Amino acid sequence: DAKTTQPDSMESTEGETVHLPCSHATISGNEYIYWYRQVPLQGPEYVTHGLQQNTTNSMAFLAIASDRKSSTLILTHVSLRDAAVYHCILPGGADRLTFGKGTQLIIQP
Amino acid sequence: EAAVTQSPRSKVAVTGGKVTLSCHQTNNHDYMYWYRQDTGHGLRLIHYSYVADSTEKGDIPDGYKASRPSQENFSLILELASLSQTAVYFCASRGQNYAEQFFGPGTRLTVL
Repeated sequence: DAKTTQPDSMESTEGETVHLPCSHATISGNEYIYWYRQVPLQGPEYVTHGLQQNTTNSMAFLAIASDRKSSTLILTHVSLRDAAVYHCILPGGADRLTFGKGTQLIIQP
Repeated sequence: EAAVTQSPRSKVAVTGGKVTLSCHQTNNHDYMYWYRQDTGHGLRLIHYSYVADSTEKGDIPDGYKASRPSQENFSLILELASLSQTAVYFCASRGQNYAEQFFGPGTRLTVL
């Protein structure tokens, strides 16, 4: 059973702000939420992670709902380089990652 | 800059042959991972290791062995390659007290 649910694809325009949603209704109290992204022919790249508080870094802002059953990755001023598949993941033991299909983010010029 | 390298970058193997994929990291990380990715799908964990000379089974270990002779090196071994093992293989490393996994560029394996 999938632990997270994401839309298959989303589309935006360069310079806009994008909100990528993720549902994780069965998350347990000590599970972190991780986001990775992957472009074709490359390995995945870490974006951010969080537990309960919203977090921000140079790549993105992660907003976590107060009940932790959903989160949103927010990308501001997107460019063509942000086009990728974005994965929302709840790691298992030893921080093992299981990638689903993720959300294909399409950026129009 | 953290670095994970993989060799070879691509390989064609024959069914029933032995294949060894190598991964090297210069991050001084304790954890290393091997994943496979099939076309149009996400990554799945094959084997991982948290210390040299020890390996652990991941979610899909059947048909694969792993070897961690040193902290820097982690190999994935296919003793009898099969058509179903055609995929892209990614290696990753992670520090003990850090969340981020650093991925290598991948090895494209084609078994004929």
